[in-house]
Amino acid sequence: DQQVKQNSPSLSVQEGRISILNCDYTNSMFDYFLWYKKYPAEGPTFLISISSIKDKNEDGRFTVFLNKSAKHLSLHIVPSQPGDSAVYFCAAQYNFNKFYFGSGTKLNVKP
Amino acid sequence: EPEVTQTPSHQVTQMGQEVILRCVPISNHLYFYWYRQILGQKVEFLVSFYNNEISEKSEIFDDQFSVERPDGSNFTLKIRSTKLEDSAMYFCASSVTTTSLEYEAFFGQGTRLTVV
Repeated sequence: DQQVKQNSPSLSVQEGRISILNCDYTNSMFDYFLWYKKYPAEGPTFLISISSIKDKNEDGRFTVFLNKSAKHLSLHIVPSQPGDSAVYFCAAQYNFNKFYFGSGTKLNVKP
Repeated sequence: EPEVTQTPSHQVTQMGQEVILRCVPISNHLYFYWYRQILGQKVEFLVSFYNNEISEKSEIFDDQFSVERPDGSNFTLKIRSTKLEDSAMYFCASSVTTTSLEYEAFFGQGTRLTVV
């Protein structure tokens, strides 16, 4: 029952360039979407969220785009920095209940 | 920045013993969660909690598990009789403040539970 999918297990980007991480979902009832950054054996670090009533949310270098008709979510990191290298998870939620996590995309930002 | 704190960071227990994992959610959050991650596997949902009651739980969250918010600040997960397969990182999360303009959901750094 994989309601949230991240089809790219890894992404490599040059420092200073844009990183674009993608996420697809199947459940049209989701009302909040979130992006997390995670290091091994640590808790997910909250980055940014977006409500289903919006199509864009920005916070510093991070922008999340939501395309409800395509059931597609993306995270843009501009400019990318080596410290951004980590595994990124998207998550979706309905009515504040459980988070459905994607399988993660490992981002490597090369200096 | 506000944070969710979890104690202890590492707990070793004998099989069959009871353990209590503690979490202090962000003070004005309303929803609370427990997740776990067995080494090398996905993060799994255990339970969500709102208004002093469980709002959703997974099939993992059987009668051996319970949650409590005993004093309005702590949020605990109890495992009554631990099994070897309960060994995992346990993450607490909290979300939804009535004062923030943006939705947020923060996770703690986890408690590593090792059952021997």
